[in-house]
Amino acid sequence: QQQVKQSPQSLIVQKGGISIINCAYENTAFDYFPWYQQFPGKGPALLIAIRPDVSEKKEGRFTISFNKSAKQFSLHIMDSQPGDSATYFCAASMIDYGQNFVFGPGTRLSVLP
Amino acid sequence: NAGVTQTPKFQVLKTGQSMTLQCAQDMNHNSMYWYRQDPGMGLRLIYYSASEGTTDKGEVPNGYNVSRLNKREFSLRLESAAPSQTSVYFCASSAGTSGGPMGQYFGPGTRLTVL
Repeated sequence: QQQVKQSPQSLIVQKGGISIINCAYENTAFDYFPWYQQFPGKGPALLIAIRPDVSEKKEGRFTISFNKSAKQFSLHIMDSQPGDSATYFCAASMIDYGQNFVFGPGTRLSVLP
Repeated sequence: NAGVTQTPKFQVLKTGQSMTLQCAQDMNHNSMYWYRQDPGMGLRLIYYSASEGTTDKGEVPNGYNVSRLNKREFSLRLESAAPSQTSVYFCASSAGTSGGPMGQYFGPGTRLTVL
């Protein structure tokens, strides 16, 4: 029940296209859903996050869509750029439990010029 | 404001040797974490400390010990290194339940090879 599933494992998108990464969870007690971006040789960096009281959050070209009833959330990268090429991780946590995060396995995104 | 710092950046050990990975944060965060990252496995939690003075096991704690030295510092110790502990180790911190920003902030990682 603690698992977070993530798909696809890898994704290739043309420059200017839309990249979509999906995640699903089982534990309905999760109440915080962040996305992290990781470049090779670096630590993951917090990209954008959402709480379950909203269905969508947008920051620049990055949007999280959240479907509470389906227990799914997704990251959309609009106008994808070669500089977006990285590994993306979704995660879930329960705020009241000291924020013990559960991570998805990651999606390697390649944006072709 | 350096965020989360880790030392060393790289380390090579022989089987059976011991070492301590150091982590410090300057964001006044309550919670700190140690993860390992292996190819195709994502991030796996080794230990975490929800607040100063407390530590708890994560998903893969065997072969590791931790110390929350104070609010800023959280160290990870390998008492007798094994080749299976070859990995990249990340330290992270978050505000926890203190009401601050809720995301985790990661250090740059320590790349450990055990021969």
